[in-house]
Parts: sequence; structure tokens; C-alpha cells
Amino acid sequence: NAGVMQNPRHLVRRRGQEARLRCSPMKGHSHVYWYRQLPEEGLKFMVYLQKENIIDESGMPKERFSAEFPKEGPSILRIQQVVRGDSAAYFCASSPGAGANVLTFGAGSRLTVL
Amino acid sequence: DAKTTQPNSMESNEEEPVHLPCNHSTISGTDYIHWYRQLPSQGPEYVIHGLTSNVNNRMASLAIAEDRKSSTLILHRATLRDAAVYYCISTLNTGNQFYFGTGTSLTVIP
Repeated sequence: NAGVMQNPRHLVRRRGQEARLRCSPMKGHSHVYWYRQLPEEGLKFMVYLQKENIIDESGMPKERFSAEFPKEGPSILRIQQVVRGDSAAYFCASSPGAGANVLTFGAGSRLTVL
Repeated sequence: DAKTTQPNSMESNEEEPVHLPCNHSTISGTDYIHWYRQLPSQGPEYVIHGLTSNVNNRMASLAIAEDRKSSTLILHRATLRDAAVYYCISTLNTGNQFYFGTGTSLTVIP
């Protein structure tokens, strides 16, 4: 029973390129969360999705960032025209559904922008 | 969202109990209190959660104040592997948003 799978684990991009980070939730989990962690800082909430719906994107920058969780396939966090400040660890978590759910986190994707 | 406040850092000697405090004075009646921890270079992992009563599991105990405005995570015997950042989170009662603060960085001294 695989946990939350994130890929790639490490991604290097040059300024202006696009970064796509993927997250496959645990089997049976229909809720996905994305968090960003800058070096030496805490986790910052970005977006909360259910299948085909964005529930809360209050933590997402208004420009260049988007997220989706399609009916089939993994959730994707997309960062267009990356800048050096986007360099961070991006963590995905999943949960089964509504209520006092427990989050299961992936190992993270570490983005480095040159 | 109910904001939580934790000390930035704490130290403990190995094999001694550790009490990690958290204040959540704006918590509402149906908000749960969750604790997660993040070991160096890893994703966070669940530790424990509760609503009103104290909770115990194999990892830790959670003591919740009677007025629910604060809670304490108790590690009964700290080991070197418990060195991590511990996050206290109060979940919104209207959804499943989990907002993490900066947490408490626990150092375990051999």
C-alpha cells in the first residue's frame, strides 16, 4: 500500500521555464493539499483540492501558479515562468475526506531555480 | 482559522519526558487539535490529534486543557530520533484546511 507519491523528487529549472510537480495520493484518498516550504521556514499552505475541484486556493500566488486534481491521474502543481524565489520544497498531502482527517504527506519535491 | 502559538525551540535530554506546549486561544468548539512532526529533510508525519479528551497512542500523549485554549504534546521518553520540528494545528470546523505555523524545533541532547 504505497503512501503519497511525489515526483520528481528533485527538479532543476532555469528562470523563465515551467515546473510541473506531481502528486499521487494514497489509495482511497480523494483530498489533496499542497504546501511550500522555503529553506529554514515552516510549511505554508497553498491549495486544497478534491477530485476535479479546487476547494481553497487562498495560499496560492495569484500569478504563475496553478493546481489541478483531475478525475483520473495525479494532482499537478504547475509553476510557470519560474523565478529564483520559487526555489523551495513542495509537499503534497492527502486525506480520505471530510471530518477530522489525518494528513499523509509525501516526501516532497525540491525545486531549484538557477 | 484558529491561530496556534508555539515556542520556537526547546531542548530535552535523552530518555527524559518532553512537554511541548501550544496555545490556540481562538479555537472553536468543533475544531480538532492535530500535531505533526517533521524530521530533517523529510515530509511531515502525523503524531496525534484530539478534540476534548486527552489522547494516547504509541508515539505520544496529547493533553488538552479543559477550556481547550491550549494543549501539550507529551513525549514520554525522548530519543535522538525525536529531534524534529513539531507543529500544532487547529483545523477549521468548516472544512479540512490545515494551516501549519512555524512549529517548535526540538533538540534532544544525548
